[in-house]
Amino acid sequence: SQTIHQWPATLVQPVGSPLSLECTVEGTSNPNLYWYRQAAGRGLQLLFYSVGIGQISSEVPQNLSASRPQDRQFILSSKKLLLSDSGFYLCAWSVRKGREPQHFGDGTRLSIL
Amino acid sequence: GDSVTQMEGPVTLSEEAFLTINCTYTATGYPSLFWYVQYPGEGLQLLLKATKADDKGSNKGFEATYRKETTSFHLEKGSVQVSDSAVYFCALSPTANNAGNMLTFGGGTRLMVKP
Repeated sequence: SQTIHQWPATLVQPVGSPLSLECTVEGTSNPNLYWYRQAAGRGLQLLFYSVGIGQISSEVPQNLSASRPQDRQFILSSKKLLLSDSGFYLCAWSVRKGREPQHFGDGTRLSIL
Repeated sequence: GDSVTQMEGPVTLSEEAFLTINCTYTATGYPSLFWYVQYPGEGLQLLLKATKADDKGSNKGFEATYRKETTSFHLEKGSVQVSDSAVYFCALSPTANNAGNMLTFGGGTRLMVKP
């Protein structure tokens, strides 16, 4: 069966520090991969998605970037964090064909001090 | 563009009460429809899905029927438990121009069940 792993689960970072969140998927090949952000008590905001290695689409201009160095690895990064980057970050995967559900990881709670 | 509208919460119920969370959508063609549940501090879990008109998705006592004529996918449960307290998201995956299998989510509805 397929599984998705995100780490770390919780992260506290100072303003201006760099960020790297990692997501890996097991048990499937050529998945679509996604990064979402969820502000406290709010809905989901799609940040990036990827349909293949090195292929990244950005949905919202921001202080963040994403990379996909391997088929089942998706990384969310920032060079200098802002207070507004605080939130709950979720990684998700889906099969390539449309009309299928996405499957989410457990999320990373990021607090910026 | 596509959109999903959910009733605003929080919805507060007593244990064993009947639950309905309304979801309506706007999309061309025949999208797939999903309900996700998010427990506190966790990611989203797929609760149920339906892929064509009149399909009924069901899981863990929850049900939702794909109503094309009313563009709705309301979530129901006959008897809620305290453990059902969570945020519920309705979502759709459109039929056209969706190479990335993008989902459109509703804003989420918080359910609180009191003993």
